[in-house]
Amino acid sequence: DADVTQTPRNRITKTGKRIMLECSQTKGHDRMYWYRQDPGLGLRLIYYSFDVKDINKGEISDGYSVSRQAQAKFSLSLESAIPNQTALYFCATSGGSASEQFFGPGTRLTVL
Amino acid sequence: QQQVKQSPQSLIVQKGGISIINCAYENTAFDYFPWYQQFPGKGPALLIAIRPDVSEKKEGRFTISFNKSAKQFSLHIMDSQPGDSATYFCAARPGGGNKLTFGTGTQLKVEL
Repeated sequence: DADVTQTPRNRITKTGKRIMLECSQTKGHDRMYWYRQDPGLGLRLIYYSFDVKDINKGEISDGYSVSRQAQAKFSLSLESAIPNQTALYFCATSGGSASEQFFGPGTRLTVL
Repeated sequence: QQQVKQSPQSLIVQKGGISIINCAYENTAFDYFPWYQQFPGKGPALLIAIRPDVSEKKEGRFTISFNKSAKQFSLHIMDSQPGDSATYFCAARPGGGNKLTFGTGTQLKVEL
């Protein structure tokens, strides 16, 4: 079984709709991250959490919110989706300040 | 402000050739420089990483060269194979932190 899972894997939605992307991990890591990937722009950090009570904005948090429901679960919400939020979204985890980040398989989101 | 600049955006190499991807950074607080490899439909995965106390790190056919004074580092793939065809991201992280700043990615294609 995958260590970092994301649901859904693909989603098509309409402008103005609320959508939630979910991430679960079985690695026992405290730190979790949400990134978006766009062609030519690489991976950009949206939000990150170093433990259940710690939530921090990344470089592109506008239009997004997150919830850390448990150590193993970190959800990303788009309250009112817009077309320029069409992208590939990745969740990642890490075990501490010096460890690598492990990425999930991604969610391809299309906002029409 | 892009803190990690990556080039080229795309690269085509013949089988057996050397693939070279370059990155430059601005923030002198960065002290950890990983490279991630991403295959289509998958999340990025750590390939190799270096710290600035060494100028080169080699793992199999993959080598990172690091030039601290120039604030540049590069990935060399020796004897490139079709299975190396993927997108490669350089990244950097400041000392004591766990937030990675990614480059914009290089799409490598190794042709037969």
